[in-house]
Amino acid sequence: QSALTQPASVSGSPGQSITISCTGTSSDVGGYNFVSWYQQHPGKAPKLMIFDVTNRPSEVSNRFSGSKSGNTASLTISGLQAEDEADYYCSSYTSSSTRRVFGGGTKLTVL
Amino acid sequence: EVQLVESGGGLVQPGGSLRLSCAASGFSFSSYEMNWVRQAPGKGLEWVSYIGSSGSTINYADSVKGRFTISRDNAKNSLYLQMNSLRAEDTAVYYCARERGTWWDYWGQGTLVTVSS
Repeated sequence: QSALTQPASVSGSPGQSITISCTGTSSDVGGYNFVSWYQQHPGKAPKLMIFDVTNRPSEVSNRFSGSKSGNTASLTISGLQAEDEADYYCSSYTSSSTRRVFGGGTKLTVL
Repeated sequence: EVQLVESGGGLVQPGGSLRLSCAASGFSFSSYEMNWVRQAPGKGLEWVSYIGSSGSTINYADSVKGRFTISRDNAKNSLYLQMNSLRAEDTAVYYCARERGTWWDYWGQGTLVTVSS
């Protein structure tokens, strides 16, 4: 069981927007603005998409955005494209000795 | 160009040992904190271990504490993971990842460790 809770799957049609949630506690997501999101295509290494809740690396499309409310962080992808189909993982800093926790991952299907 | 290349994976029997390496290039390795993250077949990501830039600060996931040892050689631009007393549940692709603040900005391609008799 992962420390952070994500939906197992989400889907959307090309051009639509989807949101993936990531729920933790006040010891991780809710306590710090240190949530990051990673995209992983099958057989590939994870790729950083969002860091520190809302920040996007320069090479990542502005169709990807992040937000947080209380103990839940969210990743929104607008203007869905076929290439967005992948697994998405959230991660947060945690006050526990493990320092970092992951969500269980969400499989995004572009219909 | 930042590159992280893992090696050392393979098939090992339960109770055996393996040493993973991660060769870094394209950046000042000694200035960055590093991590190992693993992914069991068909499963999600799991953080394994962290080491500070000088090697003086180290953390482990509870699942590997006492069995795995992380280390680095800044002169060789290399990160290591010594894995002892391996169990079937350690079977996974192991990634090294560069830490930047509170996130990981570069990942290697991974090396597969299979623990089976």
